[in-house]
Amino acid sequence: GAVVSQHPSWVICKSGTSVKIECRSLDFQATTMFWYRQFPKQSLMLMATSNEGSKATYEQGVEKDKFLINHASLTLSTLTVTSAHPEDSSFYICSAREWGFYNEQFFGPGTRLTVL
Amino acid sequence: AQSVTQLGSHVSVSEGALVLLRCNYSSSVPPYLFWYVQYPNQGLQLLLKYTTGATLVKGINGFEAEFKKSETSFHLTKPSAHMSDAAEYFCAVSGTSGNTGKLIFGQGTTLQVKP
Repeated sequence: GAVVSQHPSWVICKSGTSVKIECRSLDFQATTMFWYRQFPKQSLMLMATSNEGSKATYEQGVEKDKFLINHASLTLSTLTVTSAHPEDSSFYICSAREWGFYNEQFFGPGTRLTVL
Repeated sequence: AQSVTQLGSHVSVSEGALVLLRCNYSSSVPPYLFWYVQYPNQGLQLLLKYTTGATLVKGINGFEAEFKKSETSFHLTKPSAHMSDAAEYFCAVSGTSGNTGKLIFGQGTTLQVKP
């Protein structure tokens, strides 16, 4: 089956620093990747949709300058949390969709971000 | 617009008992419907999905769900619960056209399995 990886699986950083999270599709080409945020005991909230080679589309209320998304290749998307603050602490999950497989997303294992 | 409502944020069953997790959706277009399972500190794993065709969908680990258009429901069932089924379950909907395939998730249901 299709495999999506995320790196790192967890990260702790100081307030004010920036953190980059990678999402990779390991055995397929992901024309579209999605980034979600999940607070404890809550559902997934879609942050943005990125298509390879174009700018990400952010959901309403998500700061695009705060959460920088790059989808430079068909197997890699990155989410950079800039000038992180404690309220950015969360579980970040990416998913990837292969071109032509409109109705299925494959999820990564998630990245736990803790900002001190 | 699309939305998903999962009835019951927490369901507790005994091992070997029937599992029933409820999901109702709202969609202005024919929906694609999904059930995902999430174990602690992990991503989501697809249990099953409905796109077109047969309304009774069988998934992994003995789970199945039935799409009932008249009731706008897609409830998840398993005849006999196992301890390893304890997890968080999410129902999701996406449209069949006109969007990027974005998933709209329900609030989630925590399944507890008692020995």
